[in-house]
Amino acid sequence: DSGVTQTPKHLITATGQRVTLRCSPRSGDLSVYWYQQSLDQGLQFLIQYYNGEERAKGNILERFSAQQFPDLHSELNLSSLELGDSALYFCASSASTGTSGYEQYFGPGTRLTVT
Amino acid sequence: AQSVSQHNHHVILSEAASLELGCNYSYGGTVNLFWYVQYPGQHLQLLLKYFSGDPLVKGIKGFEAEFIKSKFSFNLRKPSVQWSDTAEYFCAVNAHRTGTASKLTFGTGTRLQVTL
Repeated sequence: DSGVTQTPKHLITATGQRVTLRCSPRSGDLSVYWYQQSLDQGLQFLIQYYNGEERAKGNILERFSAQQFPDLHSELNLSSLELGDSALYFCASSASTGTSGYEQYFGPGTRLTVT
Repeated sequence: AQSVSQHNHHVILSEAASLELGCNYSYGGTVNLFWYVQYPGQHLQLLLKYFSGDPLVKGIKGFEAEFIKSKFSFNLRKPSVQWSDTAEYFCAVNAHRTGTASKLTFGTGTRLQVTL
């Protein structure tokens, strides 16, 4: 158990819909990262938040957005869903400073199926 | 931009065979290097990491990796695999910046299948 929690575990929804994925980082970790894992794209970085502020953006579509709240949990919002958005979405967290900040701990993921 | 190459996409070994999975990265600066393992249906778990110092690093479950700076490589090894090592293995890098966490760039993964 990494200490990172994600809900829900599975999500099945229809095209055009909007969903919210939730992530709680390890206790004390200020950085949260979102990754998408799909068969054709592999593991891709989407976005990073640090203490409530967006720190880095990767291959995140405009239909997707994220935020990190004062209690440090994060939500990833996916809208106007398409079949190709079906994937496993992972959240990871890391400590804020020092060499321990380089290491990311991953949650169990949310499997999104768009039908 | 960082990139990571894993040349072996699917490896099949018999139990007790030795394992070496290749990983090469591309990045102009100093990097931190990681190997993660993903067992079927599970999340990513850190096997081992390299930040600095001894280029031969040992991780959990008998795995080790060697950082060869001149070859931009970080190959994963295990002298004798077990059936329970069947999983997908990912090499990853992030930029080495003091005191700042940064995104991981992953390779495409190597699927290891260990047969009895």
